[in-house]
Amino acid sequence: ETGVTQSPTHLIKTRGQQVTLRCSSQSGHNTVSWYQQALGQGPQFIFQYYREEENGRGNFPPRFSGLQFPNYSSELNVNALELDDSALYLCASSQERGYTFGSGTRLTVV
Amino acid sequence: EDQVTQSPEALRLQEGESSSLNCSYTVSGLRGLFWYRQDPGKGPEFLFTLYSAGEEKEKERLKATLTKKESFLHITAPKPEDSATYLCAGHSYGQNFVFGPGTRLSVLP
Repeated sequence: ETGVTQSPTHLIKTRGQQVTLRCSSQSGHNTVSWYQQALGQGPQFIFQYYREEENGRGNFPPRFSGLQFPNYSSELNVNALELDDSALYLCASSQERGYTFGSGTRLTVV
Repeated sequence: EDQVTQSPEALRLQEGESSSLNCSYTVSGLRGLFWYRQDPGKGPEFLFTLYSAGEEKEKERLKATLTKKESFLHITAPKPEDSATYLCAGHSYGQNFVFGPGTRLSVLP
């Protein structure tokens, strides 16, 4: 097992720009979900992918989009960045009942 | 609406001083109640999953319990290395986690 790897670890973007965050799932895990964690708060569910299809979405606008690839790695794309998008973005991969979180990408929007 | 709350928001303990953290949940179609530990700037680290009221699980100085509306994380004789934020999450029918805001625990030597 290689764990869940996220890249980059830190990122600074300007308001209005677009960003892509990446997640490499744990070996054998076919489900990946993304969470946004603002400072001092618990993670908030963005969406989940199972075998390359989105199968669940939280209360986030369409400018938050994602992809899952055949090797189960995943991307989170955010368009038209806003200051409030500054947060730690977490990826979690799972198979059945086992869930593993990555260390996250810290995004700062200025 | 699914909701998870945690109390207290922050807790300071002396080394060896036992205490409990509370998690109250309203999650439709609950598939499991999870506890995670999160260190600053890191992702959540899995501690326990509880599936039914009355269930208890232990790991070193930690014990988690579950009722129909609440879960407790008991910390016995904590050490400074137990300092972290402890997150409670309901795993819902929609297959996503509903997290609480966390309890920031500081254990002083």
